[in-house]
Amino acid sequence: EADIYQTPRYLVIGTGKKITLECSQTMGHDKMYWYQQDPGMELHLIHYSYGVNSTEKGDLSSESTVSRIRTEHFPLTLESARPSHTSQYLCASSGIQAYGYTFGSGTRLTVV
Amino acid sequence: QKEVEQNSGPLSVPEGAIASLNCTYSDRGSQSFFWYRQYSGKSPELIMSIYSNGDKEDGRFTAQLNKASQYVSLLIRDSQPSDSATYLCAVWDSGGSNYKLTFGKGTLLTMNP
Repeated sequence: EADIYQTPRYLVIGTGKKITLECSQTMGHDKMYWYQQDPGMELHLIHYSYGVNSTEKGDLSSESTVSRIRTEHFPLTLESARPSHTSQYLCASSGIQAYGYTFGSGTRLTVV
Repeated sequence: QKEVEQNSGPLSVPEGAIASLNCTYSDRGSQSFFWYRQYSGKSPELIMSIYSNGDKEDGRFTAQLNKASQYVSLLIRDSQPSDSATYLCAVWDSGGSNYKLTFGKGTLLTMNP
């Protein structure tokens, strides 16, 4: 079944650690996105990609970085986690405009 | 800056009643419009899409689009407790090199028992 997967689902990590949030999709979508969302708050686009070797920063400035070496894989990395990075991170992908986005289940990150 | 505006709510409706959620958008060239439902702590899920002026019905949900007024709405008939969630309106950017959705801030819908 075509889908989009995010791992880990929950992550608690200490300040200063390097972390990578994984996002993979099996739908062959060329466009992928990362959003950050605090509880009860709006979605903020932090990174997006329109294809392999294409990455752009989103509307919300983020200290994270992304890469797109394979179509199906769009990982997000924080080199040095801080408590201000505590949030939910949502990955999404899109193929045909008419179908909108498909979201992954999200990663809830807590930095202590 | 393209904008999508929604009333943040909360919108409280009696069980069994019709819930009406509204959205306006600023990009007059937009062609594709979506409604997502997001339960607390979960990721958004697509419930309706609409591209042409008028109504589109799917079960208890009806999406309405008026491009001249730049207005999109979602009606939920026979509201049930499981409809309690935040509803996000999303509009696909019409710019030639833009391939992403602009989301509203969402409307929180709650049920009165």
